[in-house]
Amino acid sequence: TQLLEQSPQFLSIQEGENLTVYCNSSSVFSSLQWYRQEPGEGPVLLVTVVTGGEVKKLKRLTFQFGDARKDSSLHITAAQPGDTGLYLCAGEPIGSYIPTFGRGTSLIVHP
Amino acid sequence: EADIYQTPRYLVIGTGKKITLECSQTMGHDKMYWYQQDPGMELHLIHYSYGVNSTEKGDLSSESTVSRIRTEHFPLTLESARPSHTSQYLCASSKRDRRGSPLHFGNGTRLTVT
Repeated sequence: TQLLEQSPQFLSIQEGENLTVYCNSSSVFSSLQWYRQEPGEGPVLLVTVVTGGEVKKLKRLTFQFGDARKDSSLHITAAQPGDTGLYLCAGEPIGSYIPTFGRGTSLIVHP
Repeated sequence: EADIYQTPRYLVIGTGKKITLECSQTMGHDKMYWYQQDPGMELHLIHYSYGVNSTEKGDLSSESTVSRIRTEHFPLTLESARPSHTSQYLCASSKRDRRGSPLHFGNGTRLTVT
């Protein structure tokens, strides 16, 4: 059973389109992180969200943490080919000190 | 600029060989992790450590072992490599933080067992 469910698993879109990736759980998290991973490299941290309802923006990327701290979303506006990669959400559920990862969303942005 | 280093980057080895994957970090992080990942797929935690002389097995059953004699060093050893061990191995570290510190990853070791 996956503690963090990510959807969609795969996404193939054209440059300029908008998209949203979801990360959902039945557990409460003290914080959630979003990472992006390019082929042949390790994941790189994009953002950490800590407070329920928090919204963070990173250029064309908008991250939201649910009010109950059980879910998060990543919205990309006007996607570019450079956004291509595997997007992973991760966090430590309350009471655990071990980070758990979602299965990831593989995004391809075509020029 | 990498603060966590993995070597080798690529390794092709025959069945039955003993191998050690190296991981070092210069950030003074207490927590370190080893993940196994097939290309484009999810990460599976195989080992973790809270600090020196602390090692634990993760969610994914693994025939590998780890050691943590120094804070900065967390090597992973396979006593007898098998083709089923072919995968990418990622090392990561984080601060010991109650609110959940982000992980810093190395660039991985791509292992192929023939």
